[in-house]
Amino acid sequence: AQKITQTQPGMFVQEKEAVTLDCTYDTSDPSYGLFWYKQPSSGEMIFLIYQGSYDQQNATEGRYSLNFQKARKSANLVISASQLGDSAMYFCAMRELAGYSTLTFGKGTMLLVSP
Amino acid sequence: NAGVMQNPRHLVRRRGQEARLRCSPMKGHSHVYWYRQLPEEGLKFMVYLQKENIIDESGMPKERFSAEFPKEGPSILRIQQVVRGDSAAYFCASCQGADQETQYFGPGTRLLVL
Repeated sequence: AQKITQTQPGMFVQEKEAVTLDCTYDTSDPSYGLFWYKQPSSGEMIFLIYQGSYDQQNATEGRYSLNFQKARKSANLVISASQLGDSAMYFCAMRELAGYSTLTFGKGTMLLVSP
Repeated sequence: NAGVMQNPRHLVRRRGQEARLRCSPMKGHSHVYWYRQLPEEGLKFMVYLQKENIIDESGMPKERFSAEFPKEGPSILRIQQVVRGDSAAYFCASCQGADQETQYFGPGTRLLVL
């Protein structure tokens, strides 16, 4: 069974600083994908970044990067140069890539960016 | 290219009534997933459908809940005889194929049962 753990219920960061949101996962499948989604107060789920288990390099998308440490089963999200609009809930999720598989989500981390 | 559409965005029902939630996937996507988010929780998988087929409904309660994705029209999640515990945000996600990595989510339907 898949499991995602996000140990930080909330994080604070000052504008323009970098912040790391932690995510560890557990799966017995060798082929899987890791995702981060952002949920602002308006409620929608916004896809941010994806990392495949066989990808050699850490994924990056603009100010978002994923610090993927396969041996430690961690997939931390790094947001550089935080902006006020980054304040939101952030969810880490994973799915196994063989055939179809549904997403398993962590409980989320609330990020607050202060001026 | 429109994203995943869900309606209504907010739905209020009294206990015992029926709730019907609609989801139109992104253009070209034929795979639909429904998730439920309880307050202060992450999303939990409910059901996975392809056109006219339920592939996996292991996350959906056996009673009162049903889902469909007809050949024409949106996917429907139906909750009969709603109870207060059904109050949650219900999200639909779509992807192009079963092995496509990324599921794209709709804005969700917030159901409140009075």
